[in-house]
Amino acid sequence: GQQVMQIPQYQHVQEGEDFTTYCNSSTTLSNIQWYKQRPGGHPVFLIQLVKSGEVKKQKRLTFQFGEAKKNSSLHITATQTTDVGTYFCALEYGNKLVFGAGTILRVKS
Amino acid sequence: EAGVTQSPTHLIKTRGQQATLRCSPISGHTSVYWYQQALGLGLQFLLWYDEGEERNRGNFPPRFSGRQFPNYSSELNVNALELEDSALYLCASSEFGGTGAPNTGELFFGEGSRLTVL
Repeated sequence: GQQVMQIPQYQHVQEGEDFTTYCNSSTTLSNIQWYKQRPGGHPVFLIQLVKSGEVKKQKRLTFQFGEAKKNSSLHITATQTTDVGTYFCALEYGNKLVFGAGTILRVKS
Repeated sequence: EAGVTQSPTHLIKTRGQQATLRCSPISGHTSVYWYQQALGLGLQFLLWYDEGEERNRGNFPPRFSGRQFPNYSSELNVNALELEDSALYLCASSEFGGTGAPNTGELFFGEGSRLTVL
């Protein structure tokens, strides 16, 4: 079946440090989505990547889709306390959207 | 515009009972998805409904079932509740009819229904 691995599981950073989460698939993807879930909240869509090698930016967030369309990353520059939460990648498999296990980000001020 | 709404917010049941959770998608969205999020875990795909039909289901036993009504709202039923069914049940809707196309719609999630089984 579809294998999606998201790493790391957990990261605790000092405010101002950078953060990156990675998502790897065992198969080539048509697209990948990223979501953020604040503590006690629900997942909120961040972005969708479609093209091979695509890079998209949203303020301090940079999203990248691998050339082979099998992996993706989300990088946050100079983290802030508002960045805390769990970041999920989501990919299509067998007519359903499968979510990675998520990376929990904690930011120390 | 109203977002995805779910009810009830919280539900407490005992083992063996049945639970019914409800979801109203964003107006104009025809697809509804259900996910289970157990404490500290990720989102596990449960069911996908589109245009009143069940399009796909995840690896859950048959006691997890649901339906979608003509107005596109949806219901998730869990029969013969077990302790491990305790979780946050999230409903999401999308504008497009499911996944698989390059322009897959983003999922809009509701706040969830927290089910506790004692």
